[in-house]
Amino acid sequence: DAGITQSPRHKVTETGTPVTLRCHQTENHRYMYWYRQDPGHGLRLIHYSYGVKDTDKGEVSDGYSVSRSKTEDFLLTLESATSSQTSVYFCAISVAGPDEQYFGPGTRLTVT
Amino acid sequence: GQQVMQIPQYQHVQEGEDFTTYCNSSTTLSNIQWYKQRPGGHPVFLIQLVKSGEVKKQKRLTFQFGEAKKNSSLHITATQTTDVGTYFCAGAGNTPLVFGKGTRLSVIA
Repeated sequence: DAGITQSPRHKVTETGTPVTLRCHQTENHRYMYWYRQDPGHGLRLIHYSYGVKDTDKGEVSDGYSVSRSKTEDFLLTLESATSSQTSVYFCAISVAGPDEQYFGPGTRLTVT
Repeated sequence: GQQVMQIPQYQHVQEGEDFTTYCNSSTTLSNIQWYKQRPGGHPVFLIQLVKSGEVKKQKRLTFQFGEAKKNSSLHITATQTTDVGTYFCAGAGNTPLVFGKGTRLSVIA
């Protein structure tokens, strides 16, 4: 597996609280992505980054923000978690935009 | 925006039967990729197709890219229980990869 870790792996939080998920890579790849996976919806892109401090929105970015201050770390923040953000979140990396992606193990987030 | 449709959503087969999943894009793609996700796991890259009409094989898996570079298929010959999982296609165009919703394959031994 590619050197990608996600933390935490599981989290239960209450509605209205802020939550930050971390993705860490050891591959020094330029591109990093955050997806959410829900039954019946497949993988949907939340935000992605094409370099340090360079980020852009994906298909389902509302309610999420990201930051990338170092090549190896990509943070996803839910400013005020809602029950609709209960999901499995995957981080992925790639060398270039159209290239194959390598996924982390995922974070299961439950918002009660 | 770019959309990628994948059918069927579910497929149940007897072990030894063949399986095919189809992927269609609303726009012409620069490449198409296939991923497999085992139950409880993360998506794993299988293959990338780039050329119009390209066909690639990996053991019992055959991948095709359409002549117009808008559709693709994955065919598994003689399924085994190890093939269980969800297969996703993902299209690369002018935007980041767009994933289909996947086909979940169940294999009955």
